[in-house]
Amino acid sequence: GNSVTQMEGPVTLSEEAFLTINCTYTATGYPSLFWYVQYPGEGLQLLLKATKADDKGSNKGFEATYRKETTSFHLEKGSVQVSDSAVYFCALQGGSEKLVFGKGTKLTVNP
Amino acid sequence: DAGVIQSPRHEVTEMGQEVTLRCKPISGHNSLFWYRQTMMRGLELLIYFNNNVPIDDSGMPEDRFSAKMPNASFSTLKIQPSEPRDSAVYFCASTVQEPSNTGELFFGEGSRLTVL
Repeated sequence: GNSVTQMEGPVTLSEEAFLTINCTYTATGYPSLFWYVQYPGEGLQLLLKATKADDKGSNKGFEATYRKETTSFHLEKGSVQVSDSAVYFCALQGGSEKLVFGKGTKLTVNP
Repeated sequence: DAGVIQSPRHEVTEMGQEVTLRCKPISGHNSLFWYRQTMMRGLELLIYFNNNVPIDDSGMPEDRFSAKMPNASFSTLKIQPSEPRDSAVYFCASTVQEPSNTGELFFGEGSRLTVL
């Protein structure tokens, strides 16, 4: 079945550092890929998405590129801020299947 | 615009008591999902509905859990009797399910349940 594996956390960075959170997936066909973010005390919200190979999703300075050859969708940001501290979830959806989430990676950004 | 509305936000109860969590999805959304989030197990899908009909309840832990969606604007998740291991944050999410759907779920703020 479909599955998502993302890097274990927690991740702690200083403000303005470069961020990468790795995500790889297993799926049949051509799934859509997502990153969701959960700020403290809130529900998840969509951060960015990509629906086909080589697509790049971007939002709020975050980017992720759908790499079919490596089955990956790594999240990156060039310069993190304290306000980016949150839990980040990689997810995929294959066709009409339900959304499958990774376990989440907690990011803490220190001033 | 109103998002997904969940109640209560926090509930503390004693083992053996009945717990009812409520959710109002975004108007016009036809799919509703209940998730449970814990430190140990992460985010787990419990059940989801499409057009008020339960489609997949394979994530419901056991018979103590039940969920209903009597109409398009309301759903409940009930735990009876509750146990300490049910302590978690329960999220409701909704979306428009259609062939072109790209999977964006809209989550409520969650109901934090503590069973003593």
